[in-house]
Amino acid sequence: RKEVEQDPGPFNVPEGATVAFNCTYSNSASQSFFWYRQDCRKEPKLLMSVYSSGNEDGRFTAQLNRASQYISLLIRDSKLSDSATYLCVVNRAGSARQLTFGSGTQLTVLP
Amino acid sequence: DGGITQSPKYLFRKEGQNVTLSCEQNLNHDAMYWYRQDPGQGLRLIYYSQIVNDFQKGDIAEGYSVSREKKESFPLTVTSAQKNPTAFYLCASSPRGRGYQETQYFGPGTRLLVL
Repeated sequence: RKEVEQDPGPFNVPEGATVAFNCTYSNSASQSFFWYRQDCRKEPKLLMSVYSSGNEDGRFTAQLNRASQYISLLIRDSKLSDSATYLCVVNRAGSARQLTFGSGTQLTVLP
Repeated sequence: DGGITQSPKYLFRKEGQNVTLSCEQNLNHDAMYWYRQDPGQGLRLIYYSQIVNDFQKGDIAEGYSVSREKKESFPLTVTSAQKNPTAFYLCASSPRGRGYQETQYFGPGTRLLVL
């Protein structure tokens, strides 16, 4: 089983739609969770950290379910500029500084 | 501007040649990392360094070498022993530990191609 698993997509949604991605992780001792965004042929950029209580940043909402070991990202009112690959990232148990990256979920928002 | 720079943007390697990728940061971050990304795959850790003059192997260190003589710099050498070096190489850094929830910040990357 991969340490971090994501549905690769692609997700093709119309502008204004709500879309949700899930990610599962294998190590129950992991404590840090993030969503990164990666545009085509560019570096990953931090989108948001994921906290136990869930957190929201504008149109983006992240949730963590420790019992089921999954993380979700919800994007409301999708914009064309949201088209990118979204990477689920989890720290390795026992190492705050080593991260494991999922392969990413590709999102295309259509006009 | 504070940030992480990588050079060159594109690099071509001939068979049997060693090449060095540059990574510099002026964020005063202690930890630095090198990742490799292949198409359709997640990032894989090559080497990382938490302090000057110290570094550790990641998951795929074979065929690579690094040095950390200065806090700001963490160059990666792709040696001739790396048989499949064509990939997108990403350097990242993170600040000194505040425990968990540390994030890593990436440079723009170097694309290495084998001729």
